[in-house]
Amino acid sequence: EAGVVQSPRYKIIEKKQPVAFWCNPISGHNTLYWYLQNLGQGPELLIRYENEEAVDDSQLPKDRFSAERLKGVDSTLKIQPAELGDSAVYLCASSSGYEQYFGPGTRLTVT
Amino acid sequence: GNSVTQMEGPVTLSEEAFLTINCTYTATGYPSLFWYVQYPGEGLQLLLKATKADDKGSNKGFEATYRKETTSFHLEKGSVQVSDSAVYFCARASQGGKLIFGHGTELSVKP
Repeated sequence: EAGVVQSPRYKIIEKKQPVAFWCNPISGHNTLYWYLQNLGQGPELLIRYENEEAVDDSQLPKDRFSAERLKGVDSTLKIQPAELGDSAVYLCASSSGYEQYFGPGTRLTVT
Repeated sequence: GNSVTQMEGPVTLSEEAFLTINCTYTATGYPSLFWYVQYPGEGLQLLLKATKADDKGSNKGFEATYRKETTSFHLEKGSVQVSDSAVYFCARASQGGKLIFGHGTELSVKP
């Protein structure tokens, strides 16, 4: 069974540029999560989807971050414009019950 | 603030040594508790879980017991191997299935 797929694995951009991350969850998993992991910290939830509906986006900085999951499967997370402080690992996870399965993450470096 | 607290790392042990990584949580009620492991360059993997008080989760020689009296979920292993070197995250379930993570504890096992 394929796991959660994320791309790209690494991204380096200059500040003020836009960036997008893509996630393909495990087949059949209706719930999708985006987490932010700063260096030396645990992941923190940015947004949670149930199918195509964002049911918890309270921690998403909406002035510059946006996300979508149009058909209830793949999801994209976008930052525009990126700031130096956005340098972190962005993790996607999916679940069909209690257990969350995580992708390898996208490591973003903003210079 | 963060409601999951882990012991500070890094923890350095010799092979075959006994491991304990402390984790305490704050919560209303009795949430499910988890230990995730992150190997270098990889995503988070669920190591073990406990869904109610006094449950013991176990996997790959690791164990953790859900102690409601002390609100703890300490991770233990009787004999660590070099391949156990990784970052370990304690987490608790929150509203809507969201996970709240501790800061992570880096374990380094030397041969």
